[in-house]
Order: sequence, then structure tokens, then C-alpha cells
Amino acid sequence: KNEVEQSPQNLTAQEGEFITINCSYSVGISALHWLQQHPGGGIVSLFMLSSGKKKHGRLIATINIQEKHSSLHITASHPRDSAVYICAVRLGAQKLVFGQGTRLTINP
Amino acid sequence: NAGVTQTPKFRVLKTGQSMTLLCAQDMNHEYMYWYRQDPGMGLRLIHYSVGEGTTAKGEVPDGYNVSRLKKQNFLLGLESAAPSQTSVYFCASSSPRTSGTDIQYFGAGTRLSVL
Repeated sequence: KNEVEQSPQNLTAQEGEFITINCSYSVGISALHWLQQHPGGGIVSLFMLSSGKKKHGRLIATINIQEKHSSLHITASHPRDSAVYICAVRLGAQKLVFGQGTRLTINP
Repeated sequence: NAGVTQTPKFRVLKTGQSMTLLCAQDMNHEYMYWYRQDPGMGLRLIHYSVGEGTTAKGEVPDGYNVSRLKKQNFLLGLESAAPSQTSVYFCASSSPRTSGTDIQYFGAGTRLSVL
């Protein structure tokens, strides 16, 4: 079993819909990251969180440490949000373990 | 600032050939990483470095070597390429000691095919 599991693997939605991507992990962690990989391949960090909730524009990330679960939400989704969203957890001082990613497609 | 720059962007090798991938960062970050990304799998750590002159093995180090002679550069070498090393390689850097976070900044990736 992977240490980090994301669901769904693929998600297609219409512009304007509310999007939720889930991340579950099986071990104790010190932090969790959400990253975005653009269709061209570039990877950027969206959030790092160890508790609670963070918001940046239309993106919201939450984490429940007790349940070992995090969600990434996108409000008022737009075609430019189409990308692969990656969850990663920090296990040790330098080690990040990455999920397989969720491919999101937003149709106009 | 260019951020993290990887060269080359694409490369095709024959089995047994060698090559070096170069990663350069201009953010004065202490930590640097090499990952590989394969279809259906998450990014996997090959090697990393926590400072100039130091390197350490990651999750999948076999068949690769690295060097960090200068703080801004992290080189990934393949001495004898194998088809199993066909992948997209990403370099990243971070500065946890000075920034207090381990947010990593990624290069654009190198797509390597080994025939």
C-alpha cells in the first residue's frame, strides 16, 4: 500500500463547479504539501500545512491530522485550473513522499 | 531570478551511454534534490544534498551518481544508461534552515529516453 493515496485519479468537471481532491496518508507526518503540475510539466508548490486550513485565492487546503486526511478545494473552477494536483507528505527531515497525482480537467 | 534551471530539456541515449544532467539554482538554497517521475507513480527521490560537498541517497539511487561541488549546482550522472532509466527527471531546491519551511522549488524537468 502506498504511503500517500490520492482520489480521484482523474476528475473532469464543468467550468464553475466546486472541486475536491482528497489525500490520505498512512503514517505520522510533520507537514503536508499540495503541488500543481502544469500541462507543460512544470511543478509549483501551492500549500504547505501541518494543521487546520489555508486559503489562497480560489484554492483552499485543509488537513485533519487525527484522520490522516487532507483535501484541496477549488471554488468557481476555470479551464486554466486544468492540471495534475499532487499531494506530498514530509516523513523525515528531508524526505517528501509523493502521491500519484490527480489529473483535473475543467471544460468550458 | 531564473529559479531552478535544468539542462538539457530532452535527451535520447543508447543503452550503455553516459550523461550528466545539470541543475542550477540562483536562490542560495542549501538543499537540492533529484527526482524521477514515471507514469502512474509519484515523484521518487533519487539523491539529495543538504549543502555544498554533501550528498545522500534517496529512495531509488541505484544507477545514478551525484555531485554538489558548488552550492548552486547539483549534477546527476548516469554512468551506463539502461532503458529502465527512461523517465522525466526533476531537480528541486529548498531552504528550510533560513525560510523555516521545506517548500521546494522545481525545475522544468528533463525528459530522458534510453533506447
